[in-house]
Amino acid sequence: DTAVSQTPKYLVTQMGNDKSIKCEQNLGHDTMYWYKQDSKKFLKIMFSYNNKELIINETVPNRFSPKSPDKAHLNLHINSLELGDSAVYFCASSQDLIQPQHFGDGTRLSIL
Amino acid sequence: AQSVTQPDIHITVSEGASLELRCNYSYGATPYLFWYVQSPGQGLQLLLKYFSGDTLVQGIKGFEAEFKRSQSSFNLRKPSVHWSDAAEYFCAVATLNNDMRFGAGTRLTVKP
Repeated sequence: DTAVSQTPKYLVTQMGNDKSIKCEQNLGHDTMYWYKQDSKKFLKIMFSYNNKELIINETVPNRFSPKSPDKAHLNLHINSLELGDSAVYFCASSQDLIQPQHFGDGTRLSIL
Repeated sequence: AQSVTQPDIHITVSEGASLELRCNYSYGATPYLFWYVQSPGQGLQLLLKYFSGDTLVQGIKGFEAEFKRSQSSFNLRKPSVHWSDAAEYFCAVATLNNDMRFGAGTRLTVKP
């Protein structure tokens, strides 16, 4: 009964490929997030959705596109993967933006 | 510019010693403050939060934090550190303006 689950846990692929990471939460939260954590552990927010509406859209390449089919799901699609995309990507959810967030265990993306 | 600063990248303490991790923020709006902990290979877990009221807040695992508006600080403390506290610690700030961000993190090492 994982609260925030993201798949896959590991993703190894080649430069130029397109890949997706899925995230689902069963907490009934209205807000979901995607973060990128680099090798130095720096955590950067990428996107946030509230009830399927985009509310935070930080400066990220437009190769990254979030999709929220319903408020329990927020998927991240990445086109034309580059070496610099290698990182751990975390999904999180909360009741709203000022409430504590629950994090998934991360997806480690490695670009060859 | 709005920011969250954790001045200490890495701190080492002996088991049983006290701990203080620093967090400073720069926000124009009323901040909602959080501390999270990340163990290796896992997502972030909430330790405590401050919204309003008593400026000294208690969290899980024996942690506490004090909000000092005059110093724009929200430092995390623990009277006696255990070896299992070794982890990465993140301070985070959210506002009602749909803005939220994390500090760069402080890595805690615990010596036997």
